[in-house]
Amino acid sequence: EAAVTQSPRSKVAVTGGKVTLSCHQTNNHDYMYWYRQDTGHGLRLIHYSYVADSTEKGDIPDGYKASRPSQENFSLILELASLSQTAVYFCASRPGLGAETLYFGSGTRLTVL
Amino acid sequence: QQKVQQSPESLSVPEGGMASLNCTSSDRNFQYFWWYRQHSGEGPKALMSIFSDGDKKEGRFTAHLNKASLHVSLHIRDSQPSDSALYFCAATQASSGSWQLIFGSGTQLTVMP
Repeated sequence: EAAVTQSPRSKVAVTGGKVTLSCHQTNNHDYMYWYRQDTGHGLRLIHYSYVADSTEKGDIPDGYKASRPSQENFSLILELASLSQTAVYFCASRPGLGAETLYFGSGTRLTVL
Repeated sequence: QQKVQQSPESLSVPEGGMASLNCTSSDRNFQYFWWYRQHSGEGPKALMSIFSDGDKKEGRFTAHLNKASLHVSLHIRDSQPSDSALYFCAATQASSGSWQLIFGSGTQLTVMP
């Protein structure tokens, strides 16, 4: 089964601080995604990437940056964390375009105080 | 308005009973649908996909798609306590280019022993 590993599993950050969430996949998938989960909103796409050294904006990119230094690794960066960014963040990967299944990691619970 | 709407928000069924979850799309371009299941503390996992009108059965799970009414449903027969989870409907379209997956806000299913 496809493997997507996220770190850390949980993090507490201070308002205005910098936060980096990491994601590593061993599936040899081209596409990687960052989603945010909030109660009542389901999963919303923040950024995605289809090739190393390139990232694309999703539906809610404001306040977030992404980095894809290699096919296996995809990071989500909050330069100035805010209270509203408290949420659970999921990384996912899929083989390519088309009607392909997404494979999710176990998530990172971020609390901004 | 969310493009993928799910109902009910929460559902309780007795063990051995039938659970029925609903999903409606507001975008006629959506052609491909998935059901994802998320147990507490885990990432979502794809349960099944359905791309053609009609029924698709996998074990105790049956998905039904009606593209004309933009409605997809999931029926779980002989529900087990292990089926207790958050269920997401997700949809995508070829015309978007990125094949971005749009998620509903989820149905919380509780199966009571």
